[in-house]
Amino acid sequence: AQSVTQPDIHITVSEGASLELRCNYSYGATPYLFWYVQSPGQGLQLLLKYFSGDTLVQGIKGFEAEFKRSQSSFNLRKPSVHWSDAAEYFCAVGRESSASKIIFGSGTRLSIRP
Amino acid sequence: DVKVTQSSRYLVKRTGEKVFLECVQDMDHENMFWYRQDPGLGLRLIYFSYDVKMKEKGDIPEGYSVSREKKERFSLILESASTNQTSMYLCATTGGRAQYFGPGTRLLVL
Repeated sequence: AQSVTQPDIHITVSEGASLELRCNYSYGATPYLFWYVQSPGQGLQLLLKYFSGDTLVQGIKGFEAEFKRSQSSFNLRKPSVHWSDAAEYFCAVGRESSASKIIFGSGTRLSIRP
Repeated sequence: DVKVTQSSRYLVKRTGEKVFLECVQDMDHENMFWYRQDPGLGLRLIYFSYDVKMKEKGDIPEGYSVSREKKERFSLILESASTNQTSMYLCATTGGRAQYFGPGTRLLVL
């Protein structure tokens, strides 16, 4: 069965430091992969998506993610975080049964240390 | 930009009440979704609609129903609200295989 695992529940990073959020997926074919961000009390905003092609994907707000098929991973990175990046981040994979349905990971909460 | 709006940001209801949560999208998308979000559980799909008057159960449909009379509007109905339905409810629509979300409705059932 398809699944998405985000092994880190909560991460704290100093402002200006680099960031990597981990995501592992289980999927039979070539996956559709997504990263979303959710600020407190808000809905989810799409950061970036991967469907095919170049395995390094650029997104909004300076984020990027790299698809590694051999590791079944799609980690999110940012070279220098800002205090406004504090939020919850969700990795997601499209379902095999329906391209429009998505399975979400349980999320990683990011805190920024001043 | 895709715009998804939800009728209420916060709702407080009593056990046994019938509750309506409304979602409207302005992009003429066919697919619309209702999720609930709970701490530690991520987002769970309640119902999905792929066209007007068409619906499909998600992973946790028990205690919920939906209505899609017009393409732009997708309603979630709690027939008889219970305390275990206290949650954040998120509506989404699909564009280019990605999903776009509304701001959410935080529902408290007393």
